[in-house]
Amino acid sequence: GESVGLHLPTLSVQEGDNSIINCAYSNSASDYFIWYKQESGKGPQFIIDIRSNMDKRQGQRVTVLLNKTVKHLSLQIAATQPGDSAVYFCAENTGAGGTSYGKLTFGQGTILTVHP
Amino acid sequence: NAGVTQTPKFQVLKTGQSMTLQCAQDMNHEYMSWYRQDPGMGLRLIHYSVGAGITDQGEVPNGYNVSRSTTEDFPLRLLSAAPSQTSVYFCASSYSSGSGRTQYFGPGTRLTVL
Repeated sequence: GESVGLHLPTLSVQEGDNSIINCAYSNSASDYFIWYKQESGKGPQFIIDIRSNMDKRQGQRVTVLLNKTVKHLSLQIAATQPGDSAVYFCAENTGAGGTSYGKLTFGQGTILTVHP
Repeated sequence: NAGVTQTPKFQVLKTGQSMTLQCAQDMNHEYMSWYRQDPGMGLRLIHYSVGAGITDQGEVPNGYNVSRSTTEDFPLRLLSAAPSQTSVYFCASSYSSGSGRTQYFGPGTRLTVL
């Protein structure tokens, strides 16, 4: 079935380093991807999104890269800070319009730990 | 705006009991959905709604009912709670057209079924 999965379940980095979190997806029809950050005891928080007609999108300290050829998504966090410690999820959506609109399929998640 | 709100924050039920998890949003979003999150896992879609009066099943709908009588509210009902329904439940909402597919999540309801 359709699925979104992560290569690395945990990632530990030093404060100030750059972090890269990876995600593989299996549904080639997916046209919208989102990265969420989830802190302990809280709901997922939107970080950045990208549409399938783009290869790269940048936000504040974050960059998402999309490689449709190998169905791979990555989240890069520049100058990682202790406050970035959380679980990061990628999610995919297939359906611009219609009843499948908004149906997100989530990956397992990667735990990012930033050491001071 | 309060965004997406959920009540209660915590709940303990006995097997067989029923309850309703409340979800409300004040962003005038057409699309609302319920997810469950089990330990060490991502979120799985239970039910969703593309507008008032319209609901549909997600990936794991068994044991749950929903209704959408207003744009703002989307309650999730457990008819006869089972231990397998112990989980954290998240409600989310988004626009349903244009570039508004980003879903915004509530703080969650942590449910334990004994």
